Amino acid sequence: AQKITQTQPGMFVQEKEAVTLDCTYDTSDQSYGLFWYKQPSSGEMIFLIYQGSYDEQNATEGRYSLNFQKARKSANLVISASQLGDSAMYFCAMREVPIYNTDKLIFGTGTRLQVFP
Amino acid sequence: ETGVTQTPRHLVMGMTNKKSLKCEQHLGHNAMYWYKQSAKKPLELMFVYSLEERVENNSVPSRFSPECPNSSHLFLHLHTLQPEDSALYLCASSQGGRTNSPLHFGNGTRLTVT
Repeated sequence: AQKITQTQPGMFVQEKEAVTLDCTYDTSDQSYGLFWYKQPSSGEMIFLIYQGSYDEQNATEGRYSLNFQKARKSANLVISASQLGDSAMYFCAMREVPIYNTDKLIFGTGTRLQVFP
Repeated sequence: ETGVTQTPRHLVMGMTNKKSLKCEQHLGHNAMYWYKQSAKKPLELMFVYSLEERVENNSVPSRFSPECPNSSHLFLHLHTLQPEDSALYLCASSQGGRTNSPLHFGNGTRLTVT
């Protein structure tokens, strides 16, 4: 079963507008972490923001915020005041509590965001 | 030098060649990973090393052979690859055992098998 679902293959947003990228996840663990990464066309994966399952406040990092709704198992990324440089692939990922030191991030299929002037 | 460095950035190899991908991290992390990224597919975890021991191998064909000589270096040895192995190979490191520790990725090696 897919653990991370990103239902938007592509999104368009006008410069200076806000955009929400959707992510839902599936886990039976109580303790887990949720991450968002940005991948520009150059290929590197850039860590943006983290939300822990026990965090009561939604995470924020500059123009990025995470709309965390635990009961719905969703962790949507909100980018405020979009810039042309935000055009990239965006990946949602989940890290479950490691067992026997096995430790990994599971990724969704990604959303391609295009910001236009 | 900081972060995670991967070499080479691009690699073209024939199906009978043997080559190696190299990854080095300068972050003091104790876990390293190889991921494969193909077009229109989620990132696929290939191998996980924690404290230099391989702790996960996700049913990867034996033509891919990882090596982790110490906590800072990770290699992926390639031999007799197939055209469908063409992909972006990403190395990452993290502080293992901590749910809130993000993976830090290298720039990847773009592999083309001819």
